[in-house]
Amino acid sequence: NAGVTQTPKFQVLKTGQSMTLQCAQDMNHEYMSWYRQDPGMGLRLIHYSVGAGITDQGEVPNGYNVSRSTTEDFPLRLLSAAPSQTSVYFCASSRLAGDYPYNEQFFGPGTRLTVL
Amino acid sequence: DAKTTQPTSMDCAEGRAANLPCNHSTISGNEYVYWYRQIHSQGPQYIIHGLKNNETNEMASLIITEDRKSSTLILPHATLRDTAVYYCIVKETSYDKVIFGPGTSLSVIP
Repeated sequence: NAGVTQTPKFQVLKTGQSMTLQCAQDMNHEYMSWYRQDPGMGLRLIHYSVGAGITDQGEVPNGYNVSRSTTEDFPLRLLSAAPSQTSVYFCASSRLAGDYPYNEQFFGPGTRLTVL
Repeated sequence: DAKTTQPTSMDCAEGRAANLPCNHSTISGNEYVYWYRQIHSQGPQYIIHGLKNNETNEMASLIITEDRKSSTLILPHATLRDTAVYYCIVKETSYDKVIFGPGTSLSVIP
């Protein structure tokens, strides 16, 4: 298993450009999520999904869109990049087991985004 | 909002036990306590979780107080590779979103 993969590893954008950060997992996990991490800070949840066709907002959703057309993929779209979106982005996935809370999250290696 | 409070930073001598506290005074009866850690520039890694009983695995032990308002993660013999930020999280079900707080930065000193 490759686990959780993210592409690209590094990206530089100009203000106003759009792009999509890719995230894929091969563990058949229902739950997937995106976080951003700024220097010296913890992770902040952007969006998450509990299954194909279902997405919801996290703590900091503004400026980001997501969709979940398949179980495996959960892309994050920046529609019009801003310098404030310079950050490291982590994707994570975990299984769901009904109401049972055990859902160890597996994280990808991250995408380092700089917006000039 | 994160439901936990942790010290900002801690030091531990190599080979000694590292005891990382977490306060979760508003925890509800159905919420579990999870611990993750993040080594520099990597994605976070799951360590352990528990409800009310103490738990142990190959990485660490989790001690939860009887009133469940606080817990302690114990790394029995800290090594330099344990230097990381440690996050304590509480959540109820697998459908809940996972919110990370700022965590505790643990430095293991030779």
